[in-house]
Amino acid sequence: NAGVTQTPKFQVLKTGQSMTLQCAQDMNHNSMYWYRQDPGMGLRLIYYSASEGTTDKGEVPNGYNVSRLNKREFSLRLESAAPSQTSVYFCASSNAQGVGETQYFGPGTRLLVL
Amino acid sequence: QQQVKQSPQSLIVQKGGISIINCAYENTAFDYFPWYQQFPGKGPALLIAIRPDVSEKKEGRFTISFNKSAKQFSLHIMDSQPGDSATYFCAATNTGNQFYFGTGTSLTVIP
Repeated sequence: NAGVTQTPKFQVLKTGQSMTLQCAQDMNHNSMYWYRQDPGMGLRLIYYSASEGTTDKGEVPNGYNVSRLNKREFSLRLESAAPSQTSVYFCASSNAQGVGETQYFGPGTRLLVL
Repeated sequence: QQQVKQSPQSLIVQKGGISIINCAYENTAFDYFPWYQQFPGKGPALLIAIRPDVSEKKEGRFTISFNKSAKQFSLHIMDSQPGDSATYFCAATNTGNQFYFGTGTSLTVIP
């Protein structure tokens, strides 16, 4: 089992460029999440998908779009990257079937926007 | 507004000592409180979690203490080891909804 995988591991963008971060999970989880991690800010939720075909905004959705392609895959798109989007991005998944759900995180994508 | 407040930001402990990290929350609807451990270059991983119907949960050297009336919970690491050096995040959620994470505590255990 690979768990949660993310690609790419590292990316450098220029301001205004676009890119898509890919995430896949092989645990048959219903819910998937995108977080960004910044120093002193902890993990902040960007978007989440409670089930295939649904997506919802989290705490910091501005500048991002998401697609729940199927049950396994959840992508995050930056249409016009800005330096403020320099961060480490984590994808996570969970069963979200009630009490005690555990979120399983991928290894992260480190993004630098110049 | 930070839903979960975590302190301290960083912590240095001697090997064999006790590490204590504290978190506080406001939303009384939260019903699940996990702690995540993150090593450099890795994603966070669940360490231990507690429901509000118990005041303490212990797993090996790791213990969560939960004070429902004060809306506070803490992680205690007994006999801290250099291998425990990592960043620790507390979190809270209303089951099935969003997770809210604290800002993290960087723990360094000195040999």
